[in-house]
Amino acid sequence: GNSVTQMEGPVTLSEEAFLTINCTYTATGYPSLFWYVQYPGEGLQLLLKATKADDKGSNKGFEATYRKETTSFHLEKGSVQVSDSAVYFCALQQGAQKLVFGQGTRLTINP
Amino acid sequence: DTAVSQTPKYLVTQMGNDKSIKCEQNLGHDTMYWYKQDSKKFLKIMFSYNNKELIINETVPNRFSPKSPDKAHLNLHINSLELGDSAVYFCASSPTPDILQPQHFGDGTRLSIL
Repeated sequence: GNSVTQMEGPVTLSEEAFLTINCTYTATGYPSLFWYVQYPGEGLQLLLKATKADDKGSNKGFEATYRKETTSFHLEKGSVQVSDSAVYFCALQQGAQKLVFGQGTRLTINP
Repeated sequence: DTAVSQTPKYLVTQMGNDKSIKCEQNLGHDTMYWYKQDSKKFLKIMFSYNNKELIINETVPNRFSPKSPDKAHLNLHINSLELGDSAVYFCASSPTPDILQPQHFGDGTRLSIL
């Protein structure tokens, strides 16, 4: 079945550091790929998405490119802020409406 | 304005009890979902309804029964609660089941079983 594997956390960085959170997936065909973010005490929010190979999703300085050849959708940000501290989930969706999530990566940014 | 609201936010109860969690969305969406997030933050879908009809039913104990009285509400009733049911439960909605439509999540209900 479809699955998503994320880099294990927690990840701790200093403010203004470069961020990469790895995400790889297993799926047949061409799923849509998503990054969701969960801030402390809140539900998940869609951060960005890509629906076909080579698409780049971007939002709030975060980017991720849909790489079919490596089945990856790594999340990157050039300069992180303390307010980016959250749990990040990679997810895929294909066919019948079922989002499959990775295990989440906790990110902490220190001032 | 709260788009997807769940009540209660916290629920502490004893093993063996029956409890319900309510979810309402004011976005006019047709599709609603329940997810379970365990202590390791792993998130798994449990159910999905489209226009009050069940469309996704994952492998969930039949002690869990969703009820959708109308398309703006999807409640989760749990019978004979067990220790392993302790988790955060998230409700979500999307305009349609179309995979291009993002899901909007509630803030979660933290269920603790004593």
